[in-house]
Amino acid sequence: GAGVSQSPSNKVTEKGKDVELRCDPISGHTALYWYRQSLGQGLEFLIYFQGNSAPDKSGLPSDRFSAERTGGSVSTLTIQRTQQEDSAVYLCASSLAEATDTQYFGPGTRLTVL
Amino acid sequence: EDQVTQSPEALRLQEGESSSLNCSYTVSGLRGLFWYRQDPGKGPEFLFTLYSAGEEKEKERLKATLTKKESFLHITAPKPEDSATYLCAVQQIRGGSQGNLIFGKGTKLSVKP
Repeated sequence: GAGVSQSPSNKVTEKGKDVELRCDPISGHTALYWYRQSLGQGLEFLIYFQGNSAPDKSGLPSDRFSAERTGGSVSTLTIQRTQQEDSAVYLCASSLAEATDTQYFGPGTRLTVL
Repeated sequence: EDQVTQSPEALRLQEGESSSLNCSYTVSGLRGLFWYRQDPGKGPEFLFTLYSAGEEKEKERLKATLTKKESFLHITAPKPEDSATYLCAVQQIRGGSQGNLIFGKGTKLSVKP
């Protein structure tokens, strides 16, 4: 079946611009996660959505980062006023339901801020 | 501070040369330990989940084991197609249903023919 998809695959932007990254989770998966992978660093948790519950935003690095999930499916991660340190690969993962379920990752969006 | 440390950072093997990758962790209550494989330019691909000390899981040439402080990923008679970065991640027991993973930086494995 179809896995997690993300778009765009690559995004180049100028410092100060806003960007939106999209994630389509596996159909039927109610849990959705965003992670960031910077060069030489491990994956870093950003935000978690579970069903209709309030999202866990504890990993967002600053108030320039926000995310929403519409209709319990597609999610958008927005970065406002991008900075060069925001350059990274942004990965989305989804899992079936419970927090203990396996997380399946998308291919990621590579963001480059010039 | 909760953390996950993987060693070595990089490992070069000859085809058929077995070895092990290490993942040590310090978390306040382990819910599960996960191994993923990541190829260049792709997202992590799930390999194994281990939940309790003494547990072992196998898949083809890979075998994962878990103790109270670390996990090992054993690679038996590796092939060039096993070349990838192997990521270890832990999930903590917390109140509520939050389940984000804490990742190590990975071990980059290269297998030469």
